[in-house]
Order: sequence, then C-alpha cells, then structure tokens
Amino acid sequence: EDQVTQSPEALRLQEGESSSLNCSYTVSGLRGLFWYRQDPGKGPEFLFTLYSAGEEKEKERLKATLTKKESFLHITAPKPEDSATYLCAVQRGKLSFGAGTTVTVRA
Amino acid sequence: DGGITQSPKYLFRKEGQNVTLSCEQNLNHDAMYWYRQDPGQGLRLIYYSQIVNDFQKGDIAEGYSVSREKKESFPLTVTSAQKNPTAFYLCASSMGGNGELFFGEGSRLTVL
Repeated sequence: EDQVTQSPEALRLQEGESSSLNCSYTVSGLRGLFWYRQDPGKGPEFLFTLYSAGEEKEKERLKATLTKKESFLHITAPKPEDSATYLCAVQRGKLSFGAGTTVTVRA
Repeated sequence: DGGITQSPKYLFRKEGQNVTLSCEQNLNHDAMYWYRQDPGQGLRLIYYSQIVNDFQKGDIAEGYSVSREKKESFPLTVTSAQKNPTAFYLCASSMGGNGELFFGEGSRLTVL
C-alpha cells in the first residue's frame, strides 16, 4: 500500500526564518510527486510536479526537491502570506495524499 | 474565467437524509474526482470519472453515489448509508488523469 508521511504536522516561523517541510513516501513505480498549498476553508492549489530523483522546481520563495524516498519543500525567507497547509501527494495509479504540514509565519 | 464550482459551500443534514453536492467545471477536463478531507488525515478518494458515463470507486465509496452524464458535471450524493458523513468534500478535475488537479472551493457537510 502506498504511504505518504509529512513532517512536521505544524511549523511556526518568524518572518524571514527559512525552513523545510518533509514528505517521505513508500511507493514503487512512482509516476510523479505533487505539492499543493491549501488555505483554510479552501480547496488545494497545485504548486509543483517532480518526476525523478534529483529534480528541483522553484516558485517565488518555495523550492521543491526530490530523492528516491522523500521530497522537501524549502521555504526561503517566508512572509505571512506563505501561511497555509502544504500537501504532498504521490502517484502510481491514483494519487495518495499526505496529511499535510500547517505553516504559520508570524510578522 | 475557467474553474471548478462547487455548491453549496455549507450544508446541514439531518440523519437519514440523502444530500447531493454539485460540481461543475468549464476547463474542458476529461477526468473528475471527489475527495473527502477530515482533520489530521490526507485527502481520501471517494469516486473518480475519466470519461462521460463512466466512473470508478475510490478508496471510500461506501455510502456515496455519483453520476457523469455530462463532461462538465460530476455530482456526488451522500446517502443515509454513509455512517459518518460530516466532512469537507472537495471536487477536482484534471486533463488526462495526471496528478495536477484543479480543485473547487469545497463543500462542508454537517450532519445534525
């Protein structure tokens, strides 16, 4: 059974304090790993797709990386508007989602 | 603007009642999905459809039903057989069934 584990569950940061979120997975035949951002009471918004180990993607203050067993979402110099829950999902056939990491950035 | 529209945003139901959640997309996507989100858990797949007039059960289909009569529409019925229906329901679509999903704003169902 595909498993996706995200850590930590919650992360509180000061504005400008860089940090990383982890997504570890056990799936054979990975077709892709996906990161989403979800604001409270809203649907998730797609951020990145990673397909192979060593791949990296960037968008503003976010950078996603992938190894054979985990992915990291690095948040560089975060701002309060980066506060959200970040979800990771892996795809073999269907998507399997992790429970998410809730990030709070204080000004 | 292209997107996915879910309605209603909030819904209250008495035990024993069936309710239907609406999902409409104008993205011309072939695949549509229904997920359930509970606190502290990942999104769980209820049903999905890759083509009109065809749909498949996801991981937690018991107590739910769907239809896909039009490409744009994928309504979800939460039946009285669903024992714990209080949750946040998310509809999504994608082109070609890849993992890049577009989500609606969600519908929060509360059973009184």
